[in-house]
Amino acid sequence: DAMVIQNPRYQVTQFGKPVTLSCSQTLNHNVMYWYQQKSSQAPKLLFHYYDKDFNNEADTPDNFQSRRPNTSFCFLDIRSPGLGDAAMYLCATSPRSGTGGRNIQYFGAGTRLSVL
Amino acid sequence: AQSVTQPDIHITVSEGASLELRCNYSYGATPYLFWYVQSPGQGLQLLLKYFSGDTLVQGIKGFEAEFKRSQSSFNLRKPSVHWSDAAEYFCAVGNTGGFKTIFGAGTRLFVKA
Repeated sequence: DAMVIQNPRYQVTQFGKPVTLSCSQTLNHNVMYWYQQKSSQAPKLLFHYYDKDFNNEADTPDNFQSRRPNTSFCFLDIRSPGLGDAAMYLCATSPRSGTGGRNIQYFGAGTRLSVL
Repeated sequence: AQSVTQPDIHITVSEGASLELRCNYSYGATPYLFWYVQSPGQGLQLLLKYFSGDTLVQGIKGFEAEFKRSQSSFNLRKPSVHWSDAAEYFCAVGNTGGFKTIFGAGTRLFVKA
């Protein structure tokens, strides 16, 4: 089945130690998103890619970076994780036809990040 | 600015009872509206969407939602709730300026036996 896969499901890192979360998709969608979701809150968009075009949200800390080497893969890099970065990180995709607000998003199961 | 409000942080219903989750949006033009469900420890899954046409839309798992422009609402309903429906439900509106989606804060549904 076509899907969005996030690895790992659980990640533990140390305060200040760089960490990378990965996302892959078999849907061949043009748009890929990274969200941060803290407990009992709505997902907060960090950034998204439309093909290779990177779109950063204005309030996303510089500590968060992303790479999209090809259509299928997207990575979230947290350069120096702090305790406040402990959260669920969700990857999602959307097809090009979703432009103009009709963007149905397909989510991965998420990676839960713990920072010790 | 676009926004989505879900007035109820959590709701508890008995299994077999009917359900209505409220959603209000703020948007200047015709909105594109969504309901997503998130089971514990999982990503979000689309339940249904409204783009245009019939204001009563059917979704998966027996859910439906009704778009009421006069009330700026898009409430989610289900006639008979099952224990497996216990989850967090997010209402959302699509940003017509691009590919972003604006989510409400969510409503957590508890189902009691």
